[in-house]
Amino acid sequence: AQSVSQHNHHVILSEAASLELGCNYSYGGTVNLFWYVQYPGQHLQLLLKYFSGDPLVKGIKGFEAEFIKSKFSFNLRKPSVQWSDTAEYFCAVNLLSGGYNKLIFGAGTRLAVHP
Amino acid sequence: GAGVSQSPSNKVTEKGKDVELRCDPISGHTALYWYRQSLGQGLEFLIYFQGNSAPDKSGLPSDRFSAERTGGSVSTLTIQRTQQEDSAVYLCASSLGMGGSYNEQFFGPGTRLTVL
Repeated sequence: AQSVSQHNHHVILSEAASLELGCNYSYGGTVNLFWYVQYPGQHLQLLLKYFSGDPLVKGIKGFEAEFIKSKFSFNLRKPSVQWSDTAEYFCAVNLLSGGYNKLIFGAGTRLAVHP
Repeated sequence: GAGVSQSPSNKVTEKGKDVELRCDPISGHTALYWYRQSLGQGLEFLIYFQGNSAPDKSGLPSDRFSAERTGGSVSTLTIQRTQQEDSAVYLCASSLGMGGSYNEQFFGPGTRLTVL
């Protein structure tokens, strides 16, 4: 079955530290890739997305992610985190064959940024 | 409205009762999705609508769960004879449709269901 793995369940960083959250998926066909963020008490918001083209995508709030097809990965990065980045981050894959049109989510990574 | 709306925001019910959860998608979005977010299971897909039909119901956990969509807009998720394991946040999302950027899903705030 198709799955999405996020390697870090909890990450604690100090402000200005660099962030990289890993995401791998298991599906050999065409995919769309997403990172969503859920701030405390808020609903899921889209951080960035990959549909096609340049594998390095830029999102909101200084986040970026790189799609590496050979590694089935879509890791999220930010060079310098802020306290306001404290949230839960979800990687998601949308399968694009066989009539599928649903997001398969990773388990999420809770990020805590200390001032 | 500007975004996906869901009602109620919170629902507390007793085991064995039926509940209905409502979703209003973004105007013009033909695709609508239900997901469930729970502590033990993370975010799980439940059902997907394209217009009023549901080509993918594969995520519904049991026959106690059903959903319908009318007029290509509002959707209702119904859970019959609720059980404690149904306690979760039920999320609705909508997208313009299928293909390319049409796949981008916009999420509502969710309905937090607690079954006592």
